[in-house]
Amino acid sequence: DAKTTQPNSMESNEEEPVHLPCNHSTISGTDYIHWYRQLPSQGPEYVIHGLTSNVNNRMASLAIAEDRKSSTLILHRATLRDAAVYYCILRPFSSWGKLQFGAGTQVVVTP
Amino acid sequence: DSGVTQTPKHLITATGQRVTLRCSPRSGDLSVYWYQQSLDQGLQFLIQYYNGEERAKGNILERFSAQQFPDLHSELNLSSLELGDSALYFCASSPGQAGAGANVLTFGAGSRLTVL
Repeated sequence: DAKTTQPNSMESNEEEPVHLPCNHSTISGTDYIHWYRQLPSQGPEYVIHGLTSNVNNRMASLAIAEDRKSSTLILHRATLRDAAVYYCILRPFSSWGKLQFGAGTQVVVTP
Repeated sequence: DSGVTQTPKHLITATGQRVTLRCSPRSGDLSVYWYQQSLDQGLQFLIQYYNGEERAKGNILERFSAQQFPDLHSELNLSSLELGDSALYFCASSPGQAGAGANVLTFGAGSRLTVL
């Protein structure tokens, strides 16, 4: 499975945007880019996913580079509840589904 | 409530014992996944079932086994427990059909196992 690289941690002030980068230079043409997050003492939670085009949902936006070798998860206005570990994961189209989690990015939100 | 139900929430047992963790997937989901999360290892994929059949295997120990029943619930059996098995065990479910790369996983709240 193709690997992703994320910063270990990022800090943000409350109500400011957060841009979380993810590098995936070995991505293949059929790999979906998934983002999950894990709040303290909870199970991982789906955030967003995409293939080639930028995606928006109620939680976040996903910006995918034209060459697909990197992507950025955008939290438009960080709240204290957004403090979590964010995981960027590649998932092949033909995969039966296992998600391989890396270390992720710890997001700290300060009031 | 994610729709994925895991029981028990907490379990304390002794080394050498055997435990069973149970997972009921979200309504309509056919795939069930098991993950282990310990402090020093992060989230490790253990095993996946789709409609009763094993579909993918990760770093699951031989002392561990799992199955998915006709009603689609799944059980993870952990035997000859060691101190190092203490961890959070998460179950997740997804629709799981072929071409599943776009499928989203829904996770349960986890079962915390403490081995003394």
